[in-house]
Amino acid sequence: DIQMTQSPSSLSASVGDRVTITCRTSQSINSYLNWYQQKPGKAPNLLIYAASTLQSGVPSRFSGGGSGTDFTLTISSLQPEDFATYFCQQSYSSPLTFGGGTKVEIK
Amino acid sequence: QVQLQQSGPGLVTPSQTLSLTCAISGDSVSSNSAAWNWIRQSPSRGLEWLGRTYYRSKWIHDYAGSVKSRIIINPDTSKNQFSLQLNSVTPEDTAVYYCVRGQIGDRRYFDFWVQGTLVTVSS
Repeated sequence: DIQMTQSPSSLSASVGDRVTITCRTSQSINSYLNWYQQKPGKAPNLLIYAASTLQSGVPSRFSGGGSGTDFTLTISSLQPEDFATYFCQQSYSSPLTFGGGTKVEIK
Repeated sequence: QVQLQQSGPGLVTPSQTLSLTCAISGDSVSSNSAAWNWIRQSPSRGLEWLGRTYYRSKWIHDYAGSVKSRIIINPDTSKNQFSLQLNSVTPEDTAVYYCVRGQIGDRRYFDFWVQGTLVTVSS
């Protein structure tokens, strides 16, 4: 199974801050990496697929990068509605696996 | 717009079978571009993909190794839905369960999720 390591597990930031979350995989997955946002009591919501493609309707302050084993999710200017938990997920091979999540909290 | 509606009990007795159903509208369980997944989430295990079914000239079933010996995911084309059956449950199976549409092929991601159902395994 492909192991997913996200860091940090949590962070505190202020509105307007630039935030970067990283995801590392235990083997190369090309660009088959997706990012999801989850708010309390809700299902995860797709933000970015194929490492860097923004899902329709997602604000342009979100961006993704990387390939192989190292990936990033960047929020260029954190907004109040962005305080949530973020997960990476590999779709390269079965079993499909998720990172442990990064909780973004208000400083 | 795709919608998924999940149904099933919120409480299951240990050693019994957990059964959930997901009704699909706005897409077909026999779609050539989608797969139909079950994913669960708990504080101890995080987000865990359990398995999927999809149609590519025949029905394909793909399961996570952690549950492979006790899981069945079945499509029902007459009702346009799919189901989860997880046998011999223990309290470790307590989680929020989601039915989820996945895109497969060149672009692979989970794009539609149901709200989720908390299933508690307890006597």
